[in-house]
Amino acid sequence: QQQVKQSPQSLIVQKGGISIINCAYENTAFDYFPWYQQFPGKGPALLIAIRPDVSEKKEGRFTISFNKSAKQFSLHIMDSQPGDSATYFCAAAFGNEKLTFGTGTRLTIIP
Amino acid sequence: GAGVSQSPRYKVAKRGQDVALRCDPISGHVSLFWYQQALGQGPEFLTYFQNEAQLDKSGLPSDRFFAERPEGSVSTLKIQRTQQEDSAVYLCASSLSRKGYLDQPAFFGQGTRLTVV
Repeated sequence: QQQVKQSPQSLIVQKGGISIINCAYENTAFDYFPWYQQFPGKGPALLIAIRPDVSEKKEGRFTISFNKSAKQFSLHIMDSQPGDSATYFCAAAFGNEKLTFGTGTRLTIIP
Repeated sequence: GAGVSQSPRYKVAKRGQDVALRCDPISGHVSLFWYQQALGQGPEFLTYFQNEAQLDKSGLPSDRFFAERPEGSVSTLKIQRTQQEDSAVYLCASSLSRKGYLDQPAFFGQGTRLTVV
């Protein structure tokens, strides 16, 4: 059972544009929603995370938007740069238990 | 060390061979997780330790998979009689305490890429 659904599978954005990746979850017990960035040959690295009582969180060029009633959350990357080209995973967890990951989005930023 | 360290980085095993993958978590981290990442997929949970106690092993795909953390620090994931479907990247993650992730996020190692031929 896939508890976290992620889209799109791949995304191409022009340099300076906004990259948007979406996730939907099923388990209403989840209380932690992070986004991870992964480069080839590396482990996932935490980008930004949010808890369900907050509708938006911004850190630099990265913003999470959270819609509790729709059970959806999204990552926005403003002013996208070639160095942002990577695979992005959303995830969800309850407490400090296992992370349940989405299937990933391969983001490519073109000049 | 500065981060989660995994060894070896790459492992090629012949089908039927036993393998052991090592994880050195960040010093002092109580929680330790193992995940399996198939090519082009997101990581999938295998097992979870809090100190030396294995609290959740619901993600281990078969009884060929075994994990231990005898002294509450280094952990080893062992796969017996490897099969081709075991080929994947095995990721280890650790976090500082029993508190929620917002207080103590999980940090991942670079993984061990296992190829079974």
